[in-house]
Amino acid sequence: ELKVEQNPLFLSMQEGKNYTIYCNYSTTSDRLYWYRQDPGKSLESLFVLLSNGAVKQEGRLMASLDTKARLSTLHITAAVHDLSATYFCAVDKGETSGSRLTFGEGTQLTVNP
Amino acid sequence: NAGVMQNPRHLVRRRGQEARLRCSPMKGHSHVYWYRQLPEEGLKFMVYLQKENIIDESGMPKERFSAEFPKEGPSILRIQQVVRGDSAAYFCASSRRMRQDNTEAFFGQGTRLTVV
Repeated sequence: ELKVEQNPLFLSMQEGKNYTIYCNYSTTSDRLYWYRQDPGKSLESLFVLLSNGAVKQEGRLMASLDTKARLSTLHITAAVHDLSATYFCAVDKGETSGSRLTFGEGTQLTVNP
Repeated sequence: NAGVMQNPRHLVRRRGQEARLRCSPMKGHSHVYWYRQLPEEGLKFMVYLQKENIIDESGMPKERFSAEFPKEGPSILRIQQVVRGDSAAYFCASSRRMRQDNTEAFFGQGTRLTVV
């Protein structure tokens, strides 16, 4: 059974600081997603990582994927308050399961002024 | 191109009633997935459907829950005889027919079910 683990689960940081959220998964997969969720809202797609060594950046967020280590990271640079949200990574099980996703528990990020 | 549409957005049911949640996939998408999110938790897969077919229902509770995706109309997630523990946000996602390089599933706004 595919397991996806994120850490930390809770992260409180000061504006302007850098930090990294980690996502480990238990079985081979070549597709990993990062989502953002604001309270009471749906999931906003941030990144789709499709291959080993993939790196994508959008604003203050950068995501990377190491399929050999089964690890993805979401790096936050110079955090601002607007980044406060819960961040989920999710792994696609593969061809036969369509786009069925297994999610991590989420990292609740709070950026303090 | 409208996104994944779910309705209702909020649903209140008394214990023992039935809840029906609807999901219309994005245009051109024929795969639908239902997920449940309990308070303060991540999303858990429930069921994967294509038109008139249940592909994977390994995440569905064995009793009271059912899902369908008819040839015409939206996908329906049905919960019979609801209990307080069914209170959660239910999200629907849809994707294209084939799993291609850049295909991903897109999520609807969710239905927040409250059982009183």
